Amino acid sequence: DAGVTQTPRHEVAEKGQTIILKCEPVSGHNDLFWYRQTKIQGLELLSYFRSKSLMEDGGAFKDRFKAEMLNSSFSTLKIQPTEPKDSAVYLCASSLEGAEQFFGPGTRLTVL
Amino acid sequence: GDKVKQSPSALSLQEGTNSALRCNFSIAATTVQWFLQNPRGSLINLFYLVPGTKENGRLKSAFDSKESYSTLHIRDAQLEDSGTYFCAGETGNTGKLIFGLGTTLQVQP
Repeated sequence: DAGVTQTPRHEVAEKGQTIILKCEPVSGHNDLFWYRQTKIQGLELLSYFRSKSLMEDGGAFKDRFKAEMLNSSFSTLKIQPTEPKDSAVYLCASSLEGAEQFFGPGTRLTVL
Repeated sequence: GDKVKQSPSALSLQEGTNSALRCNFSIAATTVQWFLQNPRGSLINLFYLVPGTKENGRLKSAFDSKESYSTLHIRDAQLEDSGTYFCAGETGNTGKLIFGLGTTLQVQP
């Protein structure tokens, strides 16, 4: 079985651009999570879907971050407009009914 | 990092030795997960725990929900065990995890 896949693996954006990150969860998993990882803040939850319904929209991340899950096998995270402080690794994870979370390889975003 | 505190923050071990990592929760964690982030950046799920213990090869983990802590024991450390170990707690039945800041382990030959 394929694990969680994420594209692109690396993204470089100019300040003010719109970028879209993509994630495909493990087949059959109904929970999908987007995280941001930085050295200082560690792993922070951005969004959480259960059976395609948005359960958590990330509080402080709401204004420029929007995650969507149009079908059970694909999710996107849009950042609009990007700022240099958004430079981080963005991780997608999936699980079945709140059990073990499996992570994708991440997208490393650099905003200039 | 405040709700889930990991100790130590960094650790160096000789190959073949044993060690224990600890995670203290100030949240009412109902389940715990442990992950290893390897030097390439991939996060690998090591354990999913309800209160109790689990063992997998040279790794053993325990979760005490009443005392709000979890431990990860590494026996006979190998070079490939190097990386950053994260614990994460779930509250209620939400599926959401709150992560600690990690323990960076370096195993020396």
